[in-house]
Amino acid sequence: EAQVTQNPRYLITVTGKKLTVTCSQNMNHEYMSWYRQDPGLGLRQIYYSMNVEVTDKGDVPEGYKVSRKEKRNFPLILESPSPNQTSLYFCASSSVLGGRNTIYFGEGSWLTVV
Amino acid sequence: AQKITQTQPGMFVQEKEAVTLDCTYDTSDPSYGLFWYKQPSSGEMIFLIYQGSYDQQNATEGRYSLNFQKARKSANLVISASQLGDSAMYFCAMRGPWAGRRALTFGSGTRLQVQP
Repeated sequence: EAQVTQNPRYLITVTGKKLTVTCSQNMNHEYMSWYRQDPGLGLRQIYYSMNVEVTDKGDVPEGYKVSRKEKRNFPLILESPSPNQTSLYFCASSSVLGGRNTIYFGEGSWLTVV
Repeated sequence: AQKITQTQPGMFVQEKEAVTLDCTYDTSDPSYGLFWYKQPSSGEMIFLIYQGSYDQQNATEGRYSLNFQKARKSANLVISASQLGDSAMYFCAMRGPWAGRRALTFGSGTRLQVQP
């Protein structure tokens, strides 16, 4: 079954305490991306990766880091979380090759920073 | 710049009836893709259907079909035989050409409530 798996699904953390949200996909997709969803602002792209060791900023990258050491994994790192990073986070993946152009999303990670 | 407009903040439909959710888009790229996603209250983003700008036929996936009118730049989602489990937020999204960030541009969403 095609899956994008995020962990943790729910997290409450304190300001300044580093955290990592993991993302893994089992579809051998080249492209992976992180979005955050906020009321009234919709979904906004944070970072994306076109392939292993190739990452770039999206629309709202401040306060986040990513890495792509393996094709299947694309973790999102918050080095020093702040309350304005409280949000619902989605990891997404898709193939860049021909065929079905589906972008799959993970189940979402609810993050609260207090 | 790409833009997606969903003009219906909320919709009601009776169970077993069909419902159409509107989506219009704006882009200057000749190559693009249009998606519909369902987001239930639990939060996950569930892919429903995809339409490519060069696809000759309207996309269908089970009870979901996409009414693609390219000249009007509209990509309405039709759900046939609504079920109570269809109650959710529905987002229309667009992807630009495959080169570049491949970011999805999302509309503001339509909340669908299916009534028994």
